[in-house]
Amino acid sequence: DSGVTQTPKHLITATGQRVTLRCSPRSGDLSVYWYQQSLDQGLQFLIQYYNGEERAKGNILERFSAQQFPDLHSELNLSSLELGDSALYFCASSVDLRGHRQFFGPGTRLTVL
Amino acid sequence: AQKVTQAQTEISVVEKEDVTLDCVYETRDTTYYLFWYKQPPSGELVFLIRRNSFDEQNEISGRYSWNFQKSTSSFNFTITASQVVDSAVYFCALSEAPDDYKLSFGAGTTVTVRA
Repeated sequence: DSGVTQTPKHLITATGQRVTLRCSPRSGDLSVYWYQQSLDQGLQFLIQYYNGEERAKGNILERFSAQQFPDLHSELNLSSLELGDSALYFCASSVDLRGHRQFFGPGTRLTVL
Repeated sequence: AQKVTQAQTEISVVEKEDVTLDCVYETRDTTYYLFWYKQPPSGELVFLIRRNSFDEQNEISGRYSWNFQKSTSSFNFTITASQVVDSAVYFCALSEAPDDYKLSFGAGTTVTVRA
């Protein structure tokens, strides 16, 4: 158990809908990363937050957004969903920004029908 | 440009054989970290090792060993005496300071160990 929790574990929805994925980092970790794993794109970085502030953006679509709350949990919002958004979404946390090990949550498997 | 290349897509071995997974990375930074993660069929990402750019010592952990060579920008991973439980997808990843240490993953190598 990495100490990172993600909910829900599975999510099935329809095209055009909006969903929210939730992540609670390990206790004491200030940095949260979101990654998407899909068959065609592999594992890729989406966005990073550190202590409530956005730090870096990767290949994140404009339909996607995220935030980190004062209690350090993070939410990834996906809107106007398309079939191609079906993927495994991972959240990871690390203690700070200095390249420490990232602890990964179990992932949320999103299926868009 | 791909920062991490795992040229082997799939490797299939018989139990007790050794298997080596190749990883080549690309960076202009002098301070960076390299990682290996394992993703078993259950889907979670399991951390295996983290190595910083200043430490080229090879490392052994049980049946796992890693060979880091800066001269060839490679960080290869060997499983000795493979077991069926080693069947998984293995990812090599790079994190660099200019990118706030986000992980850039390779495409992964699927290892199948047959009994």
